[in-house]
Amino acid sequence: DVKVTQSSRYLVKRTGEKVFLECVQDMDHENMFWYRQDPGLGLRLIYFSYDVKMKEKGDIPEGYSVSREKKERFSLILESASTNQTSMYLCASSLARVPALRETQYFGPGTRLLVL
Amino acid sequence: GQNIDQPTEMTATEGAIVQINCTYQTSGFNGLFWYQQHAGEAPTFLSYNVLDGLEEKGRFSSFLSRSKGYSYLLLKELQMKDSASYLCAVKRGSQGNLIFGKGTKLSVKP
Repeated sequence: DVKVTQSSRYLVKRTGEKVFLECVQDMDHENMFWYRQDPGLGLRLIYFSYDVKMKEKGDIPEGYSVSREKKERFSLILESASTNQTSMYLCASSLARVPALRETQYFGPGTRLLVL
Repeated sequence: GQNIDQPTEMTATEGAIVQINCTYQTSGFNGLFWYQQHAGEAPTFLSYNVLDGLEEKGRFSSFLSRSKGYSYLLLKELQMKDSASYLCAVKRGSQGNLIFGKGTKLSVKP
């Protein structure tokens, strides 16, 4: 079974703090993704990565950065947390195939972040 | 622009059939996914369509019409455990980038 783990289920931080959210997958997947999920807005893609040291902006990258130093680990960084970054953060991974059609994204359990 | 529409909420009765619709307008299309998400949990994969037609998997079926930008998820013999949010997602590029609808919250009543 694919396993995607996230470092924390719940996190409380103060405005202006630097926040690191860690995601690890154990299935040698090439693709990794960070989303945030908010009521009424659904899942929105922040950043994704198709390979080590590679990153691409998603739909809402402002205020975030990412790091992928190892294939299995993808970190989301909030350089200076703000209250509008209070949200549920979900990490996902998928296996890249050729042709790349049916690869399913597998999600971690999520980190609920509260910024005060 | 990119737009995926699905109803916000639906209610159905245990044992019945329910159809959840999804319409999309996206730049690029490489398949459509349906995910199930129980409250407080991660989304889990239900189905994938890339060609027109119906894909059946047990009690769940998913249909796609690419010309109409339309899909539906059909749930038969509803059970209480089917109460969850159902997320429609379109794969835009060739490398797995998904755009999600806002989700449909399904409540199954006895």
